[in-house]
Amino acid sequence: DAKTTQPPSMDCAEGRAANLPCNHSTISGNEYVYWYRQIHSQGPQYIIHGLKNNETNEMASLIITEDRKSSTLILPHATLRDTAVYYCIVRTTPNTGNQFYFGTGTSLTVIP
Amino acid sequence: GAVVSQHPSRVICKSGTSVKIECRSLDFQATTMFWYRQFPKQSLMLMATSNEGSKATYEQGVEKDKFLINHASLTLSTLTVTSAHPEDSSFYICSARSVGELFFGEGSRLTVL
Repeated sequence: DAKTTQPPSMDCAEGRAANLPCNHSTISGNEYVYWYRQIHSQGPQYIIHGLKNNETNEMASLIITEDRKSSTLILPHATLRDTAVYYCIVRTTPNTGNQFYFGTGTSLTVIP
Repeated sequence: GAVVSQHPSRVICKSGTSVKIECRSLDFQATTMFWYRQFPKQSLMLMATSNEGSKATYEQGVEKDKFLINHASLTLSTLTVTSAHPEDSSFYICSARSVGELFFGEGSRLTVL
């Protein structure tokens, strides 16, 4: 399984952009990068995913390096409600079950 | 987005009893569902992959006879913790995949006394 490494914690000022890095150096060519977040005692919430190209949706942007060995999740204007644990996940390929293995995640604290 | 519902959200049971947790995909059909366990201040650990109409696939180190998984229909998977013990107390979360995305239930907190 492609493993991911993330910093254990980060702080961000409210209203500023939060940039959350993730390393996935062993990712294979057809494995997707997904980002989820988990607010305390709730199920994880989908944020965004991508394969090679940068992606943007109403929640965030995902920047994937050209060699695909790392990515950055960007929350453009962080709010207090964005305080959560953010997980970067590499989804396994269809022939190995399309499974999602969670790493340790980054605990993001948005500061007023 | 798609909705996945779990029931019960909280359950307390005595040691030695069995507990069943249900996971339903409310607005889509899921041939595959996943069960995770999460201990306090830790990440989610994949326990098993539940396949509709066939046996579940368990991750290494997860006891299949203790954690019984049934996926009898395209919208329902159940996890039964048999002969529960205090060390089984945890947050159990199910998920189902719809069009590439994985949607998670609200989780079920099990406390074994």
